[in-house]
Amino acid sequence: KNEVEQSPQNLTAQEGEFITINCSYSVGISALHWLQQHPGGGIVSLFMLSSGKKKHGRLIATINIQEKHSSLHITASHPRDSAVYICAVRSKGGSQGNLIFGKGTKLSVKP
Amino acid sequence: DTGVSQDPRHKITKRGQNVTFRCDPISEHNRLYWYRQTLGQGPEFLTYFQNEAQLEKSRLLSDRFSAERPKGSFSTLEIQRTEQGDSAMYLCASSTGGGTGGNEQFFGPGTRLTVL
Repeated sequence: KNEVEQSPQNLTAQEGEFITINCSYSVGISALHWLQQHPGGGIVSLFMLSSGKKKHGRLIATINIQEKHSSLHITASHPRDSAVYICAVRSKGGSQGNLIFGKGTKLSVKP
Repeated sequence: DTGVSQDPRHKITKRGQNVTFRCDPISEHNRLYWYRQTLGQGPEFLTYFQNEAQLEKSRLLSDRFSAERPKGSFSTLEIQRTEQGDSAMYLCASSTGGGTGGNEQFFGPGTRLTVL
């Protein structure tokens, strides 16, 4: 079992829909990252959080440390949101450099 | 350009050849990371540097792989005697140092390696 599990693996939505991507992890963490990867490989950091909730534009990330679970929400989805969304964690007491990544959720938003 | 840059963006090589990739981090970042990503998978940690010191290497980094950051600025990742299994996207990221939770990492565009 991977230490970081994401669901769903693939998600297709209609433009305007509210989207939720989930991330569960099995290790104690000091931080969790949500990343966006477009075709061609470039990765953009969306959020880094260790508690509570963060919001940036139409994106909202939440984390529940006790339940070892995080969600990424996209409101009013748009075709340009189509990408792979990756959850990554830094384990507590682990290396400062070593992020553990999920396999990603491929999102396709249809116009 | 103030982002992380990587060169080349694509590399096609024959099995057995050596290849070298370069990463230029954001200038004020003292930490630099290398990751490998195969098709359909999330990235996997390879190694990271704080300034010029290589502080950790993954067991994925076999003895055919070597990374350097000689002056604490740009870094190179060399793969010797490439194998078809080395075909992947090689990602570089950088961050500032300090803090027990780590810091936000900024990723480069990646180098896609194809070994024929």
